[in-house]
Amino acid sequence: KAGVTQTPRYLIKTRGQQVTLSCSPISGHRSVSWYQQTPGQGLQFLFEYFSETQRNKGNFPGRFSGRQFSNSRSEMNVSTLELGDSALYLCASSFGSGLANLPYEQYFGPGTRLTVT
Amino acid sequence: EDKVVQSPLSLVVHEGDTVTLNCSYEVTNFRSLLWYKQEKKAPTFLFMLTSSGIEKKSGRLSSILDKKELFSILNITATQTGDSAIYLCAVGLQGAQKLVFGQGTRLTINP
Repeated sequence: KAGVTQTPRYLIKTRGQQVTLSCSPISGHRSVSWYQQTPGQGLQFLFEYFSETQRNKGNFPGRFSGRQFSNSRSEMNVSTLELGDSALYLCASSFGSGLANLPYEQYFGPGTRLTVT
Repeated sequence: EDKVVQSPLSLVVHEGDTVTLNCSYEVTNFRSLLWYKQEKKAPTFLFMLTSSGIEKKSGRLSSILDKKELFSILNITATQTGDSAIYLCAVGLQGAQKLVFGQGTRLTINP
């Protein structure tokens, strides 16, 4: 089975611009979660999507948004980029939703390295 | 606030040594504890533990969870240079796919 794929792998943007990142989960997985990884803050949860609905959101400003399509692929968007948004953005896929009774393993993609200048 | 703390933050050992990595947590609605290995980019899934006292094992790696004392350990025996990586501990919460991560332990194995 193919793993989680993310595009693009690298991105350089200027302050004030916006960016869209894409994630394709493992085939059959319906839940996609997004995380931001920085040297100072580590890995922080952004949001989770399941069946095209946002189920949970982390403590990030409204400039960070996302969506999920009917084929479970997900995109996240960051508007009005700031220097502090420079990070590795990781997408994780799992079979079930966090609302289910059973815990599900989450598998990560290779990430998109975003640099804001 | 949900919190996961790993120790040590950094560890340097020689090939062949055995290492123990620690993870303690304080969260409101615990569901699972996961271990990941991160080398260059994507964290690679190692284990998920949900029940206390049951050891999970994969080759030279093993992990156990203590839900009463709120911690987990990851053991690596007969370490190899390929084990050099950052090891991340994360706690999964009830009702969410959100994982709360620790800071990670940077493990370096010298030949």
